[in-house]
Amino acid sequence: KQEVTQIPAALSVPEGENLVLNCSFTDSAIYNLQWFRQDPGKGLTSLLLIQSSQREQTSGRLNASLDKSSGRSTLYIAASQPGDSATYLCAVRLGNTPLVFGKGTRLSVIA
Amino acid sequence: DAGVTQSPTHLIKTRGQHVTLRCSPISGHKSVSWYQQVLGQGPQFIFQYYEKEERGRGNFPDRFSARQFPNYSSELNVNALLLGDSALYLCASSFRQGATNTEAFFGQGTRLTVV
Repeated sequence: KQEVTQIPAALSVPEGENLVLNCSFTDSAIYNLQWFRQDPGKGLTSLLLIQSSQREQTSGRLNASLDKSSGRSTLYIAASQPGDSATYLCAVRLGNTPLVFGKGTRLSVIA
Repeated sequence: DAGVTQSPTHLIKTRGQHVTLRCSPISGHKSVSWYQQVLGQGPQFIFQYYEKEERGRGNFPDRFSARQFPNYSSELNVNALLLGDSALYLCASSFRQGATNTEAFFGQGTRLTVV
């Protein structure tokens, strides 16, 4: 059974700092991995999709990497801003199966 | 182009009642999935539909049911509501199933409170 773990559970940083969020998964035979952002009480916004054949994806200040062999992904956020405060969720997909999510990392960026 | 839309956004029901939640996928998307998210946890899979057929079911009781219509919209039904059914219900759509570039897009969710 696929399990996804996100560390840390919560993180508080000063504005302008670069930061890394971690995601690990137990079954390396994934098709893809998605990073999502969730604001309190809201739905999920897709940030980045990394396919199994890819090592990283970039979108603006966000960079996500994938190491299938070690079962790890990282989300790097450059020059953090207060507007980046949210919960970040990592989810993996095996073939036709649904997404399996971690519990998320709650990020607070302090001005 | 409209994203995934869910209705209603908020709902309060009494224990034992029935509820229907609705989801319209992104235009052209044929796959719809439902997830339940309780506070402090990641979303948990409930149902997956593709081309109007059920393609997967999570570990939820038979009180939960769903269907997908010819226009690919979907309904999630929950009977005999329990206090523990209080959660954010999320709908996700994707263009296809089973491809490495299958990206899921989520709606804003329906917040269900059972009292």
